[in-house]
Amino acid sequence: DIQMTQSPSTLSASVGDRVTITCRVSQSINSLLAWYQQKPGQAPNLLIYKASNLESGVPSRFSGSGSGTEFTLTISSLQPDDFATYYCQQYNSYSTFGHGTKVEMK
Amino acid sequence: QEQLQESGPGLVKPSETLSLTCAVSGGSITHYYWNWIRQPPGKGLEWIGFIHFIGSTNYSPSLKSRVTISMDTSNNQFSLKLSSVTAADTAVYYCARSDSGWYYFDYWGQGTLVTVSS
Repeated sequence: DIQMTQSPSTLSASVGDRVTITCRVSQSINSLLAWYQQKPGQAPNLLIYKASNLESGVPSRFSGSGSGTEFTLTISSLQPDDFATYYCQQYNSYSTFGHGTKVEMK
Repeated sequence: QEQLQESGPGLVKPSETLSLTCAVSGGSITHYYWNWIRQPPGKGLEWIGFIHFIGSTNYSPSLKSRVTISMDTSNNQFSLKLSSVTAADTAVYYCARSDSGWYYFDYWGQGTLVTVSS
């Protein structure tokens, strides 16, 4: 099984802040990693696929980077609509999600 | 743009079989791969499995012994059956689309809460 370690579990930030979330995986996944945003009572929404590709319609303030076993999601300037929980997902072998990072208002 | 809608009982008794259906509109189910994913209340996401119309299925190793995913092309829908349920199977169940087998999910249903309780 591929293990996912997402950090931090909670992040307090203000509008305009640069936010970075990290996802570490237990083995190389050929950059087959996606990021999702989930708001309460809603389904997750795809933000990034294959580590750094921005899904159509997603604001450019979201970006993904990384390779090997460490990946990051960055929000360049946090907006009010961005307070949510973020999940990483590896899809190299089966499909496994990280435990989530809740971005809350400071 | 495709839309997915889950349906099924919201309450299932322990040891019984959970059955859900996902209706797909706006596109044919004979394209793409179709997945089930669940999320226990207040917890993270767990992939359950996928099906493709050619008949291929793949399940999470942790659930494989209890899961069956099937497809009804005439009604453009696919289904999930999870047997011998316990309280640990209480979750919001989502259906979702992917372009390939093990892949990311670009379209999701709104989710349906299934509670396992006597």
